[in-house]
Parts: sequence; structure tokens; C-alpha cells
Amino acid sequence: DTAVSQTPKYLVTQMGNDKSIKCEQNLGHDTMYWYKQDSKKFLKIMFSYNNKELIINETVPNRFSPKSPDKAHLNLHINSLELGDSAVYFCASSQDGNGRGPNTGELFFGEGSRLTVL
Amino acid sequence: EDKVVQSPLSLVVHEGDTVTLNCSYEVTNFRSLLWYKQEKKAPTFLFMLTSSGIEKKSGRLSSILDKKELFSILNITATQTGDSAIYLCAVQYNFNKFYFGSGTKLNVKP
Repeated sequence: DTAVSQTPKYLVTQMGNDKSIKCEQNLGHDTMYWYKQDSKKFLKIMFSYNNKELIINETVPNRFSPKSPDKAHLNLHINSLELGDSAVYFCASSQDGNGRGPNTGELFFGEGSRLTVL
Repeated sequence: EDKVVQSPLSLVVHEGDTVTLNCSYEVTNFRSLLWYKQEKKAPTFLFMLTSSGIEKKSGRLSSILDKKELFSILNITATQTGDSAIYLCAVQYNFNKFYFGSGTKLNVKP
């Protein structure tokens, strides 16, 4: 059983196209994230949702739009893809509770979705 | 500005060597510091540190946090080729917020 699963694992597409990456976690966590890892392996937070509510929205172009239909799913839609969007996108989850519940602090990562824009 | 800085950026050692990886940080509302190992795919969790001076240990890996000097070290003794990976340090601040360092790439040669 995969705890955090992302699809697709690989995505090759042309500039200007629109694409989506899906993420699901079966850990019962209340918080989910999208991270972008560039060629230098630097992991940068993009978005974070807690119980379907957007709580972190870093400086990311508005071509990127996250959607959380329920607390077990967080999808990422990217419009008008650009060359610079090529990266590995990681979904992650954690249990935080915003101080009202147990906080393990540990992030569980999906296996990543490698996006290549040509 | 950099909130989490790891050093060295890369390291090449031979099997059996001991290595020390460094992570310094500067954040407000610190909650915890985490170490991850990333091989080919997803980062996998190693340690979470919340208190100063208490060593966490798992086999040949150990880690300690200094909240006064704002740094942590990750030690690996008797390194093996399977330890080759990128080691990531992350700091949790407030709730649901994590900053990652750029990682240390460790290459262990036979």
C-alpha cells in the first residue's frame, strides 16, 4: 500500500499545453503539500492545504492552481506550460492539527512526478 | 534569504569513513528540525529533532541539535556505498511550514 501516491510519474509535453498531476494520501493526514525540486535538488514549497483549506501559497505563477476536493487529495493543474516548469514535483502529507491535535512533524513524500517541457 | 543552509554541498568518501553533515538555520517559531535521505525518488525520513543536546541514533546514523547555536549535525559512521544519496535538512516553523536546505550530496566509493 503506497502511503502518498502521485500520477503520472513522468510527463513530457510541449510548451503552452495544460497538464495536471494528481496526489492521494491514505495516511489520514490533515495537511498536504506540493513541492518543486529543480535540477539543483532544491526542494521549494509551492502550496499547502490543511483540511482542504489553502494555508500556504508561495510566490508561484498563477498558471499553477492547486485543488483539494477532500483532505486525502491534492491535485496540481498547470496552464500554459513553460520550459522553466521542467522539474520534479513532489506531493507530501503530514499530520499537524494546527496545535489542536498530535503533530508528528514528519513529512511523507510521494515518489515524485518528473515534468519535462519541450 | 537563506533560512536553512547545509554544508558541504557535496562530499566524496571511501567505504568505512565517517562523515559529518551540517545544517544551520534561522527561522522564527522553530518547531523541529528533520533529516531526510533522498536516493533516486522520494525523500525518506531519518530523524526529527526538537530538543537540544539529545542525540537520536539509528544504526550507523546519529544526529543532534543545538538550539542555541541554531545548527544540527548528521553523523554516519562506517559508511557504505548504500549511504550514497542526497541528505536533506528541513526546519519546521509555525504549523505546516517547512524550509528545506539545498542538500548535501554524499558519494561513498568502494
